[in-house]
Amino acid sequence: GAGVSQSPRYKVAKRGQDVALRCDPISGHVSLFWYQQALGQGPEFLTYFQNEAQLDKSGLPSDRFFAERPEGSVSTLKIQRTQQEDSAVYLCASSLGLVSETQYFGPGTRLLVL
Amino acid sequence: KNEVEQSPQNLTAQEGEFITINCSYSVGISALHWLQQHPGGGIVSLFMLSSGKKKHGRLIATINIQEKHSSLHITASHPRDSAVYICAVVPKEAGTASKLTFGTGTRLQVTL
Repeated sequence: GAGVSQSPRYKVAKRGQDVALRCDPISGHVSLFWYQQALGQGPEFLTYFQNEAQLDKSGLPSDRFFAERPEGSVSTLKIQRTQQEDSAVYLCASSLGLVSETQYFGPGTRLLVL
Repeated sequence: KNEVEQSPQNLTAQEGEFITINCSYSVGISALHWLQQHPGGGIVSLFMLSSGKKKHGRLIATINIQEKHSSLHITASHPRDSAVYICAVVPKEAGTASKLTFGTGTRLQVTL
């Protein structure tokens, strides 16, 4: 697969449950971004990795949200004790280098918290 | 007020029409992206520009840095162009992060 992949594509969680969302970026891409898109809205930035370093996590809405990219490739976004307001599509994007350039988006994970 | 505003929010056109979607932003930027999102969520990058004009097939994107404004044009529109078009900017304050600040999108429907 040449593109960014995400899994699962859909996740239904009960309120209070922990979830883990996975992103496989394009091989060799240095930069990895997580975005959150609520229904009918544009995406919003959550966090950014440069290789394994999380350089910006200013968009994470609460300390229930945690992201990691331990080996500089696959990334996981974890949400603890999910709340209904966490329901959204979570998008992952990667880009080859460090400066402004094209970001390649994954298909997203649609999370529904009941 | 959002940092990135798009107009119109919704647009219906007939096949063959020339379409313009506008984007205005309020912060200094290092780049502006136009993205296309089809139902089901997949986002595709159409253009990234920091000055002037770019063209790809029937799509043209322009930017005026002084006026903080960009336009996306679609010539000879086709029903397959139906999608949400999103403008996103990289604020200069983002530094090396290149994180995007998005508009809310323009939903385009092209009918036969």
